[in-house]
Amino acid sequence: AQKITQTQPGMFVQEKEAVTLDCTYDTSDPSYGLFWYKQPSSGEMIFLIYQGSYDQQNATEGRYSLNFQKARKSANLVISASQLGDSAMYFCAMRGVFGTGTSLTVIP
Amino acid sequence: DAMVIQNPRYQVTQFGKPVTLSCSQTLNHNVMYWYQQKSSQAPKLLFHYYDKDFNNEADTPDNFQSRRPNTSFCFLDIRSPGLGDTAMYLCATLGLINSPLHFGNGTRLTVT
Repeated sequence: AQKITQTQPGMFVQEKEAVTLDCTYDTSDPSYGLFWYKQPSSGEMIFLIYQGSYDQQNATEGRYSLNFQKARKSANLVISASQLGDSAMYFCAMRGVFGTGTSLTVIP
Repeated sequence: DAMVIQNPRYQVTQFGKPVTLSCSQTLNHNVMYWYQQKSSQAPKLLFHYYDKDFNNEADTPDNFQSRRPNTSFCFLDIRSPGLGDTAMYLCATLGLINSPLHFGNGTRLTVT
């Protein structure tokens, strides 16, 4: 079974600054993928970025990047140049199992 | 061109009155998930289908049932809703094993 842990219930970041959202995981599968999703207050779930366990490089998608440390079983999301529209819940997930989420607020 | 469609978007039902939520997909994905998400909480996996293979999470109440008559459609039946079942219900599909979930817009269920 998979387990995802997000230890930051809420985070604040100044507009245009970078922020790191933490995620640790536990799995016995040798091959796995980690996903980050964004959920604005409107409720839809938006896929942001994916990291495969055998990927040689950390994933990047525009302003989103993953700090993947396999030995530590962590896959932290880095959002660079934060925008007001980044204010939302952020979930880390693996195989359909979600972490508890982090509520990010971007301050003007 | 919505690919995972949930109906209705909002549903109000009375305590104890059965309710059915529906999900359809045009992606031809084998795997379909149902999640319950209460306010300010993470989505909680209720069950999922791999084709017609039904997989129930251990802590999903018996009050929650599901049907998948074909690849495209999946239903969530709540036999006797309680006030604690007020939540957003999300349907999602999965294609390849390490690809992202495709979510519908959810059904906000209110039990009065």
